[in-house]
Amino acid sequence: DTAVSQTPKYLVTQMGNDKSIKCEQNLGHDTMYWYKQDSKKFLKIMFSYNNKELIINETVPNRFSPKSPDKAHLNLHINSLELGDSAVYFCASSQEGGSHYEQYFGPGTRLTVT
Amino acid sequence: GNSVTQMEGPVTLSEEAFLTINCTYTATGYPSLFWYVQYPGEGLQLLLKATKADDKGSNKGFEATYRKETTSFHLEKGSVQVSDSAVYFCALRTGFQKLVFGTGTRLLVSP
Repeated sequence: DTAVSQTPKYLVTQMGNDKSIKCEQNLGHDTMYWYKQDSKKFLKIMFSYNNKELIINETVPNRFSPKSPDKAHLNLHINSLELGDSAVYFCASSQEGGSHYEQYFGPGTRLTVT
Repeated sequence: GNSVTQMEGPVTLSEEAFLTINCTYTATGYPSLFWYVQYPGEGLQLLLKATKADDKGSNKGFEATYRKETTSFHLEKGSVQVSDSAVYFCALRTGFQKLVFGTGTRLLVSP
């Protein structure tokens, strides 16, 4: 069974559109994340939710809005898409509070804005 | 602020060669250190980790030792295989949840 899954795997859309990416984890973790990987493979955190509460919100345009309906899901909605939003978006999860801080990553969603 | 610096790639090796990918870090406090690997078209997988000074993380023949005196966490493998071709990311984490990644180093292993 897939531990962290994302849908869709590929997303091609036009500038100005609104789109969502979904993430689900079946590991029982209490913390979930969104990362953005640019064309040079550089990875940067965007958001982190712990028990459905927003913990980390890096300098991300407010066109990006995460939503966590429950601990197992973290979705990312993007309004008014721009060319610069083209990237691979990774969801991850971890269990905080113990000695193990490993983050488990999903397979990524490749977003292409034309 | 916290940051991770990795050697630029690509690193090109022949099968069975020795691998070193350098990683140094700057951090406040006492970070945990990680190596993640990304195979083509896939997400990141944790390769190994070390949570305190002098710890050695190891997995699948890869090793890295947490060196506080040199603020380094270099990745090594004694004999690489073609299947090790991937992008390798060094990362650190302090008391907060987020991982800070290096820029990644692409490894290409030829038969």
